Amino acid sequence: GAVVSQHPSWVICKSGTSVKIECRSLDFQATTMFWYRQFPKQSLMLMATSNEGSKATYEQGVEKDKFLINHASLTLSTLTVTSAHPEDSSFYICILSRTGGNMNTEAFFGQGTRLTVV
Amino acid sequence: LAKTTQPISMDSYEGQEVNITCSHNNIATNDYITWYQQFPSQGPRFIIQGYKTKVTNEVASLFIPADRKSSTLSLPRVSLSDTAVYYCLVNNYGQNFVFGPGTRLSVLP
Repeated sequence: GAVVSQHPSWVICKSGTSVKIECRSLDFQATTMFWYRQFPKQSLMLMATSNEGSKATYEQGVEKDKFLINHASLTLSTLTVTSAHPEDSSFYICILSRTGGNMNTEAFFGQGTRLTVV
Repeated sequence: LAKTTQPISMDSYEGQEVNITCSHNNIATNDYITWYQQFPSQGPRFIIQGYKTKVTNEVASLFIPADRKSSTLSLPRVSLSDTAVYYCLVNNYGQNFVFGPGTRLSVLP
């Protein structure tokens, strides 16, 4: 199956600094990637949809100037948390999708990034 | 996007069969039903996907009635390592993935 590589798996940063998270598709071209966030004991919540070559689509309540998404190629999307604060501490996951043989949707998950802002 | 409803938590014992039912009353014609498993601090992992009737793979079975308004994930003979959160998703190609709260399964010795 398709492999998605997400880095780093965990990061600790100081408040006010920026952190970049990479999501890379290793064996197929992903025109669309989804970025999710998960707080402890909560479900995954969609933050934004990243489209190759165009601006990302953000969900309501997600600040686009704080969570910068770049999808410069068909195999790489990055999420940059700018001026991070402790409340940004969370588990961030990227999801790639493609069409299966039966026109079903196949989802491929990154390993996730545990961000801790101190 | 079809909304899903699952039990928040379930307890089971090692060796038992576990059935988790998900309701998706407004599922669309082109929607598929997919179940994922998630361990703490890891991304969700695909378990099984189906459209109708019954699907079985090496880890689980998925039962979908004719009206497709619900589905049941069946885990045979669970072990302690099956303790995780299980998500039922319903979606179509091009749509994002809407995660409900999931079902937190605790397998006890």
